[in-house]
Amino acid sequence: SQQGEEDPQALSIQEGENATMNCSYKTSINNLQWYRQNSGRGLVHLILIRSNEREKHSGRLRVTLDTSKKSSSLLITASRAADTASYFCATGTGSGSRLTFGEGTQLTVNP
Amino acid sequence: ETGVTQTPRHLVMGMTNKKSLKCEQHLGHNAMYWYKQSAKKPLELMFVYNFKEQTENNSVPSRFSPECPNSSHLFLHLHTLQPEDSALYLCASSQDGRENEQYFGPGTRLTVT
Repeated sequence: SQQGEEDPQALSIQEGENATMNCSYKTSINNLQWYRQNSGRGLVHLILIRSNEREKHSGRLRVTLDTSKKSSSLLITASRAADTASYFCATGTGSGSRLTFGEGTQLTVNP
Repeated sequence: ETGVTQTPRHLVMGMTNKKSLKCEQHLGHNAMYWYKQSAKKPLELMFVYNFKEQTENNSVPSRFSPECPNSSHLFLHLHTLQPEDSALYLCASSQDGRENEQYFGPGTRLTVT
């Protein structure tokens, strides 16, 4: 079964608005990471949050983690057209080297 | 992206061809990964190398053969592929193989005809 599932699958907003994406997972995790991918390119690491953390900030990004609900959210504030990309969550279970990625949320920010 | 490079960026090959994908990381990392990304599917981990040793093979068909001569270089040798193997192949590296953040290359877009 898939570990990380993002919601929504696609999100379209106007520049300046906030974008919120959610990730749910099934098993206990050691950490959860968010990545961004521009069309047909490699993934870029955005932020890592550990299982004992509840919230983390990096610039316009805010990530929350609720281990009781097995969910995380990524908030991008004051979005820009350059934020248009696919966003993936990935979970590490602490049992080895594997990260399990979800299917991603396609974010479109309209100018 | 310059931390992890991949060549070629695009590859078209017939089912009887043999080709290789190359990945190089300039970050001093000790773990390297091959992923397959197909349309509408989650990223699939194929192989993991940690300190040049293969630590994971995610039930990948033998027509894909990885090689890791040193911690900075990773190859994926391809032979007798199928059209369904067409995908974006991504290489990544991390400091070690303990689920730390991974740094990805730009990928090789492979088309099997």
